[in-house]
Amino acid sequence: DAGITQSPRHKVTETGTPVTLRCHQTENHRYMYWYRQDPGHGLRLIHYSYGVKDTDKGEVSDGYSVSRSKTEDFLLTLESATSSQTSVYFCAISDRLAGGYNEQFFGPGTRLTVL
Amino acid sequence: GEDVEQSLFLSVREGDSSVINCTYTDSSSTYLYWYKQEPGAGLQLLTYIFSNMDMKQDQRLTVLLNKKDKHLSLRIADTQTGDSAIYFCAESVKSGYALNFGKGTSLLVTP
Repeated sequence: DAGITQSPRHKVTETGTPVTLRCHQTENHRYMYWYRQDPGHGLRLIHYSYGVKDTDKGEVSDGYSVSRSKTEDFLLTLESATSSQTSVYFCAISDRLAGGYNEQFFGPGTRLTVL
Repeated sequence: GEDVEQSLFLSVREGDSSVINCTYTDSSSTYLYWYKQEPGAGLQLLTYIFSNMDMKQDQRLTVLLNKKDKHLSLRIADTQTGDSAIYFCAESVKSGYALNFGKGTSLLVTP
């Protein structure tokens, strides 16, 4: 299994509080991604990174920010958590090769509940 | 973005074949993927197919690709209870950085 850890694995927080989720990899992969998974929506991309300090928005980026100061860590911050951000969050990594092959390896997920 | 379409549920009996279908959106996708998610876990790559192929076989798995109709299918032969999971198809998006996932098909295998 690819070396990807997410912390915390579970979190319950209150509306309006900031929350930071951490993704840590030991694979030295260049690309890192944050997805959220919700029933009826599948996986939706929040933000991704294509290198240290290089990030971009995904499909559902409103209310989220990210930072990547080291290759191995990708942080997702909910600036002011809302109940609509209750979800399971997955981090993924890849080392996309020339020609477009982009196998992504997923972390175990973080279950976030916003009350 | 546009949706990758999958049926939401499939139920089969142990020993039968399962066929999970997917319609993708981007005719220029170079690779298409099938991921499996077991309960409480992250996604794992099951198999993939390059866009210049029509079929790929890997043990019990057969992937069929119809580029004209943008249709992808995954056949699991001799389905076992351990195959019960959610299966996602995904396509490489034009930007090249991310994958566009379908909503997932929940496969239930009954004894």
